[in-house]
Amino acid sequence: EAGVAQSPRYKIIEKRQSVAFWCNPISGHATLYWYQQILGQGPKLLIQFQNNGVVDDSQLPKDRFSAERLKGVDSTLKIQPAKLEDSAVYLCASLGRFMNTEAFFGQGTRLTVV
Amino acid sequence: AQSVTQPDIHITVSEGASLELRCNYSYGATPYLFWYVQSPGQGLQLLLKYFSGDTLVQGIKGFEAEFKRSQSSFNLRKPSVHWSDAAEYFCAVAPGGTYKYIFGTGTRLKVLA
Repeated sequence: EAGVAQSPRYKIIEKRQSVAFWCNPISGHATLYWYQQILGQGPKLLIQFQNNGVVDDSQLPKDRFSAERLKGVDSTLKIQPAKLEDSAVYLCASLGRFMNTEAFFGQGTRLTVV
Repeated sequence: AQSVTQPDIHITVSEGASLELRCNYSYGATPYLFWYVQSPGQGLQLLLKYFSGDTLVQGIKGFEAEFKRSQSSFNLRKPSVHWSDAAEYFCAVAPGGTYKYIFGTGTRLKVLA
């Protein structure tokens, strides 16, 4: 089966600009996650969707970050305006419906804010 | 709050040597436990997982991990390391049934030829 697709792979922007990332999960996976991975750290959950509804966005900086998952399939994560500390890899993951399974991760988008 | 500790930031081993990467977690009940590997520029690939049952779990690429409830640990082992195992390894826990992964800070493995 096809994996989790993310684009773009790399993005360089200036601070205060806006940026958007796209994720297409594995077909049929109802749960979708966005993680932020700052260099030298483990991934940190930003937001979790179940179909097109938000399950958890407690760690999403809502003053500048937003995410949506229209139609319960693909998702976009937006940052506006970007700050230097937003430089990180943004990972998307999806999870199937079956018990005792695991989340599958995309290759990520590396964002550099200059 | 739940947390995951990987005490070794960097580990260097010679090819063919054995490997153990440590992972300790803080959580009241038994969480779901995972080990992922990340090669440079790549996403996270699952090595193995523990949900319940046998506390010794076999994974891909010859890795295994042992869950020790009394020590709140889930250490990853491999009897003989290959040069291609050089990567970053992340331990993750998910409080039972939530799949909200909490990751450790990772251990970067270097393999000497």
